[in-house]
Amino acid sequence: SYELTQPSSVSVSPGQTARITCSGDVLATKYVRWFQQKPGRAPVLVIYDDTERPSGIPERLSGSSSGTTVTLTISGAQVEDEADYYCYSTADNNKGIFGGGTKLTVL
Amino acid sequence: EVQLLESGGSLVQPGGSLRLSCAGYGFTFSNHAMTWVRQAPGKGLEWVSVVSGSGGSTFYADSVKGRFTISKDISKNTLHLQMNSLRLDDTAVYYCTASEKWLGVDYWGQGTLVTVSS
Repeated sequence: SYELTQPSSVSVSPGQTARITCSGDVLATKYVRWFQQKPGRAPVLVIYDDTERPSGIPERLSGSSSGTTVTLTISGAQVEDEADYYCYSTADNNKGIFGGGTKLTVL
Repeated sequence: EVQLLESGGSLVQPGGSLRLSCAGYGFTFSNHAMTWVRQAPGKGLEWVSVVSGSGGSTFYADSVKGRFTISKDISKNTLHLQMNSLRLDDTAVYYCTASEKWLGVDYWGQGTLVTVSS
């Protein structure tokens, strides 16, 4: 099926590790991108090809993949990491798919 | 540096039409697939439509197929989205994105707001 499932919310204290998962059948064969979106702003690419980090993205953000689940990990989460996070992948029908989004709270 | 600047968003009545544009700077337009993504107020991101680098291939989400048309003018580095038969649930911020990879959505514009209301 062409769906990506994320938890609606994740909450951690500053300095803790936050993990956000994204699950879907397509992830067995397709790469995932992760986006960070802060209120009133456009999304920003933070991870591509499951594990790669664009230049300028802090090293504390990392990605991993296992089977049909990918995980965005934020090690030592900071207050400025508080945002909505979306996973994105593609389907064989030449269409894109976004997960429902996860609101990360750091407090 | 890649820059994408959307324009054309406004208030429109149900059943009306609107044309969005996106001007691209800092990259080779013909080498990049371009995608429209939208976000309804308070909701998540929704993939809308994609056009290939050459402009020859296009695909649409089921929710807009038959009503929206994506196109690109390579000579003017501009992407368009013609939206017809607009419905209340088309209300959203529309983002223009670009990527060297097919279906990639790596670079984003700031978005343009489309409000469908009577």
